[in-house]
Amino acid sequence: AQSVTQLGSHVSVSEGALVLLRCNYSSSVPPYLFWYVQYPNQGLQLLLKYTSAATLVKGINGFEAEFKKSETSFHLTKPSAHMSDAAEYFCAVSAANRDDKIIFGKGTRLHILP
Amino acid sequence: NAGVTQTPKFRILKIGQSMTLQCAQDMNHNYMYWYRQDPGMGLKLIYYSVGAGITDKGEVPNGYNVSRSTTEYFPLRLELAAPSQTSVYFCASSSGGAGELFFGEGSRLTVL
Repeated sequence: AQSVTQLGSHVSVSEGALVLLRCNYSSSVPPYLFWYVQYPNQGLQLLLKYTSAATLVKGINGFEAEFKKSETSFHLTKPSAHMSDAAEYFCAVSAANRDDKIIFGKGTRLHILP
Repeated sequence: NAGVTQTPKFRILKIGQSMTLQCAQDMNHNYMYWYRQDPGMGLKLIYYSVGAGITDKGEVPNGYNVSRSTTEYFPLRLELAAPSQTSVYFCASSSGGAGELFFGEGSRLTVL
Protein backbone atom coordinates (compact mmCIF):
# COMPACT_ATOMS: atom_id res chain seq x y z
CA ALA A 1 0.00 0.00 0.00
CA GLN A 2 1.06 3.54 -0.64
CA SER A 3 0.82 6.55 1.64
CA VAL A 4 2.02 10.11 1.78
CA THR A 5 2.87 12.35 4.70
CA GLN A 6 3.12 16.10 4.25
CA LEU A 7 4.90 17.85 7.09
CA GLY A 8 3.22 21.11 8.08
CA SER A 9 -0.40 21.88 7.29
CA HIS A 10 0.49 25.59 6.98
CA VAL A 11 3.73 27.16 5.80
CA SER A 12 4.41 30.90 5.66
CA VAL A 13 7.25 32.48 3.70
CA SER A 14 8.09 36.03 2.76
CA GLU A 15 7.82 37.14 -0.84
CA GLY A 16 11.15 36.44 -2.52
CA ALA A 17 12.18 33.78 0.01
CA LEU A 18 12.76 30.09 -0.60
CA VAL A 19 9.71 27.85 -0.60
CA LEU A 20 10.16 24.34 0.81
CA LEU A 21 7.19 22.00 1.18
CA ARG A 22 7.96 18.57 2.58
CA CYS A 23 6.59 15.23 1.42
CA ASN A 24 7.57 11.75 2.54
CA TYR A 25 6.10 8.67 0.98
CA SER A 26 5.69 5.00 1.74
CA SER A 27 5.44 2.45 -1.02
CA SER A 28 6.15 -1.26 -1.23
CA VAL A 29 6.97 -0.93 -4.93
CA PRO A 30 8.67 1.78 -7.00
CA PRO A 31 6.45 4.85 -6.86
CA TYR A 32 5.23 7.52 -9.14
CA LEU A 33 5.13 10.82 -7.24
CA PHE A 34 3.21 13.99 -7.96
CA TRP A 35 2.70 17.52 -6.69
CA TYR A 36 -0.62 19.21 -7.35
CA VAL A 37 -1.72 22.76 -6.56
CA GLN A 38 -5.20 23.96 -5.69
CA TYR A 39 -6.25 27.60 -5.86
CA PRO A 40 -9.36 28.69 -3.93
CA ASN A 41 -12.63 27.21 -5.18
CA GLN A 42 -10.92 25.29 -7.96
CA GLY A 43 -9.95 21.73 -8.73
CA LEU A 44 -6.36 20.54 -8.55
CA GLN A 45 -3.79 20.96 -11.30
CA LEU A 46 -0.51 19.16 -11.81
CA LEU A 47 2.71 20.98 -10.90
CA LEU A 48 5.17 18.19 -11.63
CA LYS A 49 5.66 14.43 -11.48
CA TYR A 50 8.39 11.84 -10.96
CA THR A 51 8.18 8.67 -13.03
CA SER A 52 11.57 6.99 -12.44
CA ALA A 53 13.55 9.04 -14.94
CA ALA A 54 15.55 12.02 -13.66
CA THR A 55 15.45 12.41 -9.88
CA LEU A 56 15.28 16.21 -10.11
CA VAL A 57 12.00 17.16 -11.68
CA LYS A 58 11.12 20.63 -12.92
CA GLY A 59 7.53 21.78 -13.08
CA ILE A 60 5.46 24.79 -13.91
CA ASN A 61 5.75 28.23 -12.29
CA GLY A 62 9.40 27.69 -11.27
CA PHE A 63 8.76 24.78 -8.92
CA GLU A 64 10.95 21.70 -8.74
CA ALA A 65 11.19 18.57 -6.62
CA GLU A 66 13.86 15.99 -5.97
CA PHE A 67 13.19 12.29 -5.51
CA LYS A 68 15.41 10.83 -2.77
CA LYS A 69 14.88 7.12 -2.43
CA SER A 70 17.15 6.76 0.60
CA GLU A 71 15.06 9.35 2.47
CA THR A 72 11.71 8.34 0.87
CA SER A 73 11.16 12.02 0.21
CA PHE A 74 9.90 14.20 -2.61
CA HIS A 75 10.14 17.76 -1.30
CA LEU A 76 8.87 20.68 -3.39
CA THR A 77 10.97 23.83 -3.71
CA LYS A 78 10.95 27.20 -5.41
CA PRO A 79 13.89 29.61 -5.08
CA SER A 80 11.84 32.80 -4.79
CA ALA A 81 8.23 32.95 -3.62
CA HIS A 82 5.69 35.09 -5.41
CA MET A 83 2.38 36.33 -4.05
CA SER A 84 0.60 34.28 -6.71
CA ASP A 85 2.05 31.07 -5.18
CA ALA A 86 -0.37 31.29 -2.26
CA ALA A 87 -2.44 28.12 -2.56
CA GLU A 88 -2.78 24.62 -1.16
CA TYR A 89 -0.28 22.03 -2.32
CA PHE A 90 -0.81 18.28 -2.35
CA CYS A 91 1.72 15.50 -2.68
CA ALA A 92 0.44 12.24 -4.17
CA VAL A 93 1.78 8.73 -4.80
CA SER A 94 0.85 5.78 -6.95
CA ALA A 95 2.47 2.41 -7.49
CA ALA A 96 4.36 2.32 -10.77
CA ASN A 97 2.82 -0.15 -13.19
CA ARG A 98 0.29 -1.40 -10.68
CA ASP A 99 -3.32 -0.69 -9.85
CA ASP A 100 -3.31 3.04 -10.53
CA LYS A 101 -4.76 4.13 -7.21
CA ILE A 102 -3.47 7.64 -6.62
CA ILE A 103 -3.26 8.52 -2.93
CA PHE A 104 -2.99 12.11 -1.74
CA GLY A 105 -1.48 13.67 1.34
CA LYS A 106 -3.40 16.03 3.60
CA GLY A 107 -2.08 19.12 1.91
CA THR A 108 0.01 22.13 2.89
CA ARG A 109 -1.40 25.62 2.67
CA LEU A 110 1.27 28.08 1.57
CA HIS A 111 0.96 31.66 2.77
CA ILE A 112 3.09 34.39 1.19
CA LEU A 113 3.93 37.37 3.41
CA PRO A 114 4.50 40.74 1.73
CA ASN B 1 -12.51 21.23 -24.62
CA ALA B 2 -14.86 20.65 -21.71
CA GLY B 3 -12.47 18.23 -19.93
CA VAL B 4 -14.15 16.82 -16.79
CA THR B 5 -17.64 18.07 -16.06
CA GLN B 6 -19.37 17.55 -12.73
CA THR B 7 -22.96 18.26 -11.82
CA PRO B 8 -24.45 19.60 -9.65
CA LYS B 9 -22.02 22.18 -8.27
CA PHE B 10 -23.98 22.58 -5.05
CA ARG B 11 -26.59 20.44 -3.33
CA ILE B 12 -28.25 20.28 0.05
CA LEU B 13 -29.65 16.93 1.13
CA LYS B 14 -31.67 15.83 4.10
CA ILE B 15 -30.48 12.88 6.17
CA GLY B 16 -31.61 9.65 4.55
CA GLN B 17 -32.08 11.05 1.06
CA SER B 18 -30.21 9.65 -1.91
CA MET B 19 -28.63 11.34 -4.89
CA THR B 20 -26.23 10.85 -7.76
CA LEU B 21 -23.26 13.06 -8.56
CA GLN B 22 -22.66 13.09 -12.27
CA CYS B 23 -19.23 13.06 -13.90
CA ALA B 24 -18.42 13.12 -17.60
CA GLN B 25 -15.12 13.42 -19.46
CA ASP B 26 -14.49 14.00 -23.14
CA MET B 27 -10.80 13.05 -23.28
CA ASN B 28 -11.35 9.33 -23.90
CA HIS B 29 -9.54 8.53 -20.65
CA ASN B 30 -9.82 4.97 -19.36
CA TYR B 31 -9.10 5.90 -15.75
CA MET B 32 -11.60 7.80 -13.63
CA TYR B 33 -11.65 8.61 -9.92
CA TRP B 34 -13.91 10.02 -7.23
CA TYR B 35 -12.35 11.86 -4.30
CA ARG B 36 -13.82 13.71 -1.37
CA GLN B 37 -12.05 16.70 0.19
CA ASP B 38 -12.54 17.70 3.78
CA PRO B 39 -10.71 20.60 5.48
CA GLY B 40 -7.31 19.52 6.77
CA MET B 41 -7.77 15.97 5.51
CA GLY B 42 -6.63 16.29 1.91
CA LEU B 43 -8.30 14.18 -0.75
CA LYS B 44 -9.57 10.71 0.05
CA LEU B 45 -10.16 8.23 -2.75
CA ILE B 46 -13.70 6.87 -2.73
CA TYR B 47 -13.84 4.71 -5.86
CA TYR B 48 -11.93 4.44 -9.08
CA SER B 49 -12.26 2.76 -12.44
CA VAL B 50 -9.64 1.59 -14.92
CA GLY B 51 -12.10 1.14 -17.76
CA ALA B 52 -15.73 0.65 -18.68
CA GLY B 53 -17.27 -2.13 -16.62
CA ILE B 54 -14.44 -2.14 -14.04
CA THR B 55 -14.63 -0.37 -10.68
CA ASP B 56 -12.76 -0.75 -7.42
CA LYS B 57 -12.90 0.60 -3.89
CA GLY B 58 -10.61 3.32 -2.69
CA GLU B 59 -9.84 4.45 0.85
CA VAL B 60 -13.35 5.49 1.94
CA PRO B 61 -16.01 3.62 -0.09
CA ASN B 62 -18.64 3.06 2.60
CA GLY B 63 -21.95 4.79 1.88
CA TYR B 64 -21.20 5.21 -1.83
CA ASN B 65 -21.66 3.27 -5.04
CA VAL B 66 -20.40 3.75 -8.57
CA SER B 67 -20.96 2.36 -12.02
CA ARG B 68 -19.02 2.68 -15.26
CA SER B 69 -21.06 1.52 -18.21
CA THR B 70 -19.24 3.75 -20.72
CA THR B 71 -15.82 5.36 -20.98
CA GLU B 72 -17.27 8.86 -20.68
CA TYR B 73 -19.44 8.65 -17.54
CA PHE B 74 -18.66 7.73 -13.96
CA PRO B 75 -21.55 8.62 -11.64
CA LEU B 76 -21.26 8.45 -7.85
CA ARG B 77 -24.34 7.37 -5.93
CA LEU B 78 -24.94 8.33 -2.31
CA GLU B 79 -27.45 6.10 -0.58
CA LEU B 80 -29.07 7.18 2.70
CA ALA B 81 -27.14 10.42 3.06
CA ALA B 82 -25.54 11.12 6.44
CA PRO B 83 -24.01 14.32 7.86
CA SER B 84 -20.58 12.65 7.62
CA GLN B 85 -20.95 12.81 3.83
CA THR B 86 -20.95 16.60 3.88
CA SER B 87 -17.91 17.36 1.74
CA VAL B 88 -16.60 18.61 -1.57
CA TYR B 89 -16.48 15.85 -4.13
CA PHE B 90 -14.07 15.82 -7.06
CA CYS B 91 -14.16 13.64 -10.11
CA ALA B 92 -10.94 13.17 -12.06
CA SER B 93 -9.74 11.28 -15.10
CA SER B 94 -6.38 10.27 -16.54
CA SER B 95 -4.82 8.22 -19.30
CA GLY B 96 -3.44 5.91 -16.60
CA GLY B 97 0.02 5.01 -15.35
CA ALA B 98 1.80 8.23 -14.51
CA GLY B 99 -0.68 10.26 -16.47
CA GLU B 100 -1.83 13.60 -15.15
CA LEU B 101 -5.13 13.69 -13.29
CA PHE B 102 -7.61 16.13 -14.78
CA PHE B 103 -10.09 17.35 -12.18
CA GLY B 104 -13.61 18.66 -12.40
CA GLU B 105 -14.57 21.84 -10.58
CA GLY B 106 -16.06 19.95 -7.66
CA SER B 107 -19.51 19.36 -6.17
CA ARG B 108 -20.20 20.81 -2.73
CA LEU B 109 -22.64 18.60 -0.85
CA THR B 110 -24.24 19.45 2.49
CA VAL B 111 -26.28 16.90 4.42
CA LEU B 112 -28.55 18.34 7.11
